[in-house]
Amino acid sequence: AQSVTQLDSHVSVSEGTPVLLRCNYSSSYSPSLFWYVQHPNKGLQLLLKYTSAATLVKGINGFEAEFKKSETSFHLTKPSAHMSDAAEYFCVVSDRGSSGSARQLTFGSGTQLTVLP
Amino acid sequence: DTGVSQNPRHKITKRGQNVTFRCDPISEHNRLYWYRQTLGQGPEFLTYFQNEAQLEKSRLLSDRFSAERPKGSFSTLEIQRTEQGDSAMYLCASSLTGLEQYFGPGTRLTVT
Repeated sequence: AQSVTQLDSHVSVSEGTPVLLRCNYSSSYSPSLFWYVQHPNKGLQLLLKYTSAATLVKGINGFEAEFKKSETSFHLTKPSAHMSDAAEYFCVVSDRGSSGSARQLTFGSGTQLTVLP
Repeated sequence: DTGVSQNPRHKITKRGQNVTFRCDPISEHNRLYWYRQTLGQGPEFLTYFQNEAQLEKSRLLSDRFSAERPKGSFSTLEIQRTEQGDSAMYLCASSLTGLEQYFGPGTRLTVT
């Protein structure tokens, strides 16, 4: 079974300062990893994905994440926070279900990002 | 809008009633997924279809939960004899490759 652990349930930053959201994963295979964002009353939106190509992955809205196999980590960063970044962020690992073919997503418990003016 | 759509967006029902939710995926996507999200948690996988075949259903929460995708297009999720613990957001996602999944806005169920 695969799992992800998001190390912080809440993170607060000031606008214009860097963002770091931490994620560790557990996987028996070479994992595919994702970050999704969920704004209030909106659907989940894919920020970025890692699928065994480049270990530094760039996503939308200036976010990026680095896959570190030795540390089993996939932390999300952004150099400068914007007020519109305030949302819940989920680290996600994909695995195959009992059928061997389903790529079901396993979500972490989420990190709520607050951006202070 | 060509994204994933879900109906209804909100459903309030009394305990013991049956409810059915609908998901319309992105038109060219042959894979469809259902998830459940409770307050303060990440979504939890329930079941998966490839075209009309339900390939993974071991994670459905109980035999009160069932899902169909009769023609490989839209899907329905039914909960029979609802309980208060079923109150949650039910999310649908679709995918072409099985890797990138695109989520709908969800159906929020409240069981009173």
